[in-house]
Amino acid sequence: GAVVSQHPSRVICKSGTSVKIECRSLDFQATTMFWYRQFPKQSLMLMATSNEGSKATYEQGVEKDKFLINHASLTLSTLTVTSAHPEDSSFYICSARAAGDYNEQFFGPGTRLTVL
Amino acid sequence: GQNIDQPTEMTATEGAIVQINCTYQTSGFNGLFWYQQHAGEAPTFLSYNVLDGLEEKGRFSSFLSRSKGYSYLLLKELQMKDSASYLCAVLDSNYQLIWGAGTKLIIKP
Repeated sequence: GAVVSQHPSRVICKSGTSVKIECRSLDFQATTMFWYRQFPKQSLMLMATSNEGSKATYEQGVEKDKFLINHASLTLSTLTVTSAHPEDSSFYICSARAAGDYNEQFFGPGTRLTVL
Repeated sequence: GQNIDQPTEMTATEGAIVQINCTYQTSGFNGLFWYQQHAGEAPTFLSYNVLDGLEEKGRFSSFLSRSKGYSYLLLKELQMKDSASYLCAVLDSNYQLIWGAGTKLIIKP
């Protein structure tokens, strides 16, 4: 149980375009989802926390107008990278936390974004 | 501020034992996690400690001392597939995970 999927797993896009990444909890309801970014040889950096039905909370230094997060249902959260630039190329990972469980986060497999 | 320290890189021999240390200073404590991450993949859960002591799970064990702000991950009978990064993360008072930078473990034959 506790499976989280992400789609797409890899995406290559041109500079200036927007990319949407989906994160789904397949067998549980995720009241909270987290979006992380990881650059090569660095640790995970939390970008934002999203709670179902409310606005996401962004970490300091993360532009909310550039990284749009929608958590419209208990099983789906989306991250849209708007007007992507090469410096946005990174590994984006989502995780989900089940209702009533404040401890464990279940991670998706990640999305490799390359902006040309 | 919140801080988690772990060694950047360690090298060990196949079949041996290695201990990866983690020290932390966080605002509140609701548990400490160890994750394994292979290159290009998402982290996978290894262990969770919230009380002091040693938790053993097969070849992997994790220890916690809350008074010292210290944990270690012990890997026994190392295999080549154990080559990966090992991430220490603490759940703070807001139930937010605070991540260490990770320890890259290199296993040599």
